[in-house]
Amino acid sequence: QQQVKQSPQSLIVQKGGIPIINCAYENTAFDYFPWYQQFPGKGPALLIAIRPDVSEKKEGRFTISFNKSAKQFSLHIMDSQPGDSATYFCAASIGNYGQNFVFGPGTRLSVLP
Amino acid sequence: NAGVTQTPKFRILKIGQSMTLQCTQDMNHNYMYWYRQDPGMGLKLIYYSVGAGITDKGEVPNGYNVSRSTTEDFPLRLELAAPSQTSVYFCASSFTGGQQYNSPLHFGNGTRLTVT
Repeated sequence: QQQVKQSPQSLIVQKGGIPIINCAYENTAFDYFPWYQQFPGKGPALLIAIRPDVSEKKEGRFTISFNKSAKQFSLHIMDSQPGDSATYFCAASIGNYGQNFVFGPGTRLSVLP
Repeated sequence: NAGVTQTPKFRILKIGQSMTLQCTQDMNHNYMYWYRQDPGMGLKLIYYSVGAGITDKGEVPNGYNVSRSTTEDFPLRLELAAPSQTSVYFCASSFTGGQQYNSPLHFGNGTRLTVT
């Protein structure tokens, strides 16, 4: 019940495409769903996060869609750029406490020029 | 503003050796964490601390020890290195207060450890 499933494992899109990364969870007590972006040789950094009281959140070209009844959430990257090439991790947590985070296994995104 | 600093960046250990991974943060964060990252496995929590003098186990604590004598520092100790501890280790910190949902985890750049 503590697992967060993430797909696909890897994704290749052309510049300007809209990659979509999907995550699913089981524990209905989770109330915080962040996405972290990690570039090679660097630590993850918070990209965008959502709480279950809204179904969508946008920040620039990044959008989280959240489906509470299906226990699924997804990241969409509009007008993707080669600089978006990175590994993306979804996570779920009870509160924004690092010790409660359950991370997905990650999606390696490559955006071709 | 350095954020979270980890040293060393890379290390190769022989089986049975010991070492300490250093982590320091200059953001006056109360919470600090150690994660390990293995390919295709996401991040797994090893230990965490909610303040100086207080530490607790995470999901995968076996083979590791930590201490938190100051707010800034949170070293991770490997006593008897084993090949299963080959991984990338990340230290992170966060401020958990009244606006906890606005306080992200800040990660260091990691230590890549190989045990042979």
